[in-house]
This record gives sequence, structure tokens and C-alpha cells, in this order.
Amino acid sequence: QVQLQQSGPGLLKPAQTLSLTCAISGDSVSSSSATWNWIRRSPSRGLEWLGRTYYTSKWGNDYAVSVKSRISINPDTSKNQFSLQLNSVTPEDTAVYFCARGDAVLKCLDVWGQGTTVTVSS
Amino acid sequence: DIVMTQSPHSLAVSLGERATISCKSSQSILNTSKNKNHLVWYQQKPGQPPKLLIYWASTRESGVPDRFSGSGSGTDFTLTISSLQAEDVAVYYCQQYYSTPLTFGGGTKVEIK
Repeated sequence: QVQLQQSGPGLLKPAQTLSLTCAISGDSVSSSSATWNWIRRSPSRGLEWLGRTYYTSKWGNDYAVSVKSRISINPDTSKNQFSLQLNSVTPEDTAVYFCARGDAVLKCLDVWGQGTTVTVSS
Repeated sequence: DIVMTQSPHSLAVSLGERATISCKSSQSILNTSKNKNHLVWYQQKPGQPPKLLIYWASTRESGVPDRFSGSGSGTDFTLTISSLQAEDVAVYYCQQYYSTPLTFGGGTKVEIK
């Protein structure tokens, strides 16, 4: 059974960097049949996909255009986890952040982390 | 980007009655080579992450009750709850998995009348 466990701070000041980690159990971050995604939910934007990392003979990333200049999603094979970094946060980045596994065959986000509430406030 | 439009925004249905949610995509999300629509439905309850209900537009995830069904193809899709139960109160989202960026509908809140 695949499980994702999120960790990271929930309160940030404007201009700081948001850093969250998603630890994987029951699967491998290096799996060629999965992608590893970050999504957020806010009242103003609803559910918004931020980006993903994946391994298919080499590592790759896809990012949403809205955050592309500020985001980095990276795998950590030694700890079997992946991380989200979002630079220069503003109050508009206040949201609940989720990590999720994408099944490359079934084409869906089938396993989700528990969610982390991130508040950006001075 | 593919825009996903859900309706209605909210829905109140009596226990045991049918609930129907519509989802439209701004372009076809049918993978013609595999004859699969890359449309997914999720259920989200307060304080929980979204839960996968249906993928490929009509295939129920393991363990999902058969009162949940999905239909449609191309750009028009429907989620039906055939007999609403109290535990079905939630927000339901559609999502396209056809191309990046992955995009979601705005959500439909289902309540008991």
C-alpha cells in the first residue's frame, strides 16, 4: 500500500521560500510508472496543479506556467522522497498543499498526502 | 491549457435520490490511439485530501461503491450518484490528465436536501 507523508512549515512571511517534503512508502521515487506531483487548494484558485518530477531513463520535470519562475520539484533517491520549493512567496500562495502520485498507466492521481496548510502573512 | 468547467456549483439532493454533475473540457481529452478519455473524478471531504473515484471517465477505482458512475466522451462528461447516501456529502472535482498542465474543474458541492 502506497502512502505519502508530508512535512514542512506552515507559516511563512512574504518573500520567504516555501519548502515541503513528501516521503514515499510502498513505492519508489525512481519508478518509471509514476510521477510525483504537487497540487494546492485555495478559495480563490480551487485545485491548482503546480508541477511534477518523474524518472524515465533520466529525471524530468513539468511545471505550471503560473509558478514556473519560482518553483523547483526535486527527487531525493537516498530518502525516497521528493520536495517542493517555491521562492518569493506572497499572501496569494496561502493554500493547502498536497503531494500526490500520478499513475502513468491509469492516468490519474491515485495516492495523496494528507495536506499541509501554508499561510503567508507578515 | 485545457479548461475544465463543472456545473452546477452546488447541489442539494434528498437521501436516496440521484445526483448528477456535469464536466466539460475546452478541447477533446480522448486519446484516440487507446480509445481512452483522460478524465478523472475525485471526492473531497473537509480536512481530507481528494480521493480518487473514477478514471478513464468511467472506470471505478477499487473499493468505490457502484452507486458512483461516470460517463461521457470527448469534451462532455458526467458523474452520477445513483442513490445519495449521507457519507457522499463532499465536493466533487473533475480533472483532465490528457496534457500538462493538469487542470481541475471548479468543484461541485453536494449536500443533503
